[in-house]
Amino acid sequence: ETGVTQSPTHLIKTRGQQVTLRCSSQSGHNTVSWYQQALGQGPQFIFQYYREEENGRGNFPPRFSGLQFPNYSSELNVNALELDDSALYLCASSLEDTQYFGPGTRLTVL
Amino acid sequence: AQRVTQPEKLLSVFKGAPVELKCNYSYSGSPELFWYVQYSRQRLQLLLRHISRESIKGFTADLNKGETSFHLKKPFAQEEDSAMYYCALNNAGNMLTFGGGTRLMVKP
Repeated sequence: ETGVTQSPTHLIKTRGQQVTLRCSSQSGHNTVSWYQQALGQGPQFIFQYYREEENGRGNFPPRFSGLQFPNYSSELNVNALELDDSALYLCASSLEDTQYFGPGTRLTVL
Repeated sequence: AQRVTQPEKLLSVFKGAPVELKCNYSYSGSPELFWYVQYSRQRLQLLLRHISRESIKGFTADLNKGETSFHLKKPFAQEEDSAMYYCALNNAGNMLTFGGGTRLMVKP
């Protein structure tokens, strides 16, 4: 058991709404990464936070934003939801070079 | 731009048969590659990384820079190996680029 948890497990939103997904990293893991996994595809890197600062971003628009807190929790916020945002969202915390993934949040946008 | 390609969406073999899951990459620097596995109803987890050159659950993978490949191999497949397998490339600082994944089905 890696200790990375995510909430909620499932979420349904409508187009145009905003959503916040949460991740609780393993204690001591100061880096958290977020990935989007569309159905039938591999995970796509959204962004990474290190010590509460964004230090890397994939090819995602600014309406995808995040926060990392001192207690090793983090958030992924998505504004103005689009139908294509429907996916499994994974967070992964890491210490040194090993990433530990959470179970994911399944977001459905109607 | 970095890219990871897994040409097979599905690979079906019989128990005891050899397995090779293909992975090709494009990357301008010195690549750091991983294989991740996701068993049914479980989270994504690291299987092995090329740097450590280890064998996990009988799987091995060799980095071939000439062919830009990192194929995953096992000489004798077991039913419990059935899972989704993802090849991933570390761009920098653990920002991973994943391939599309290959579903391995091992039939009894």
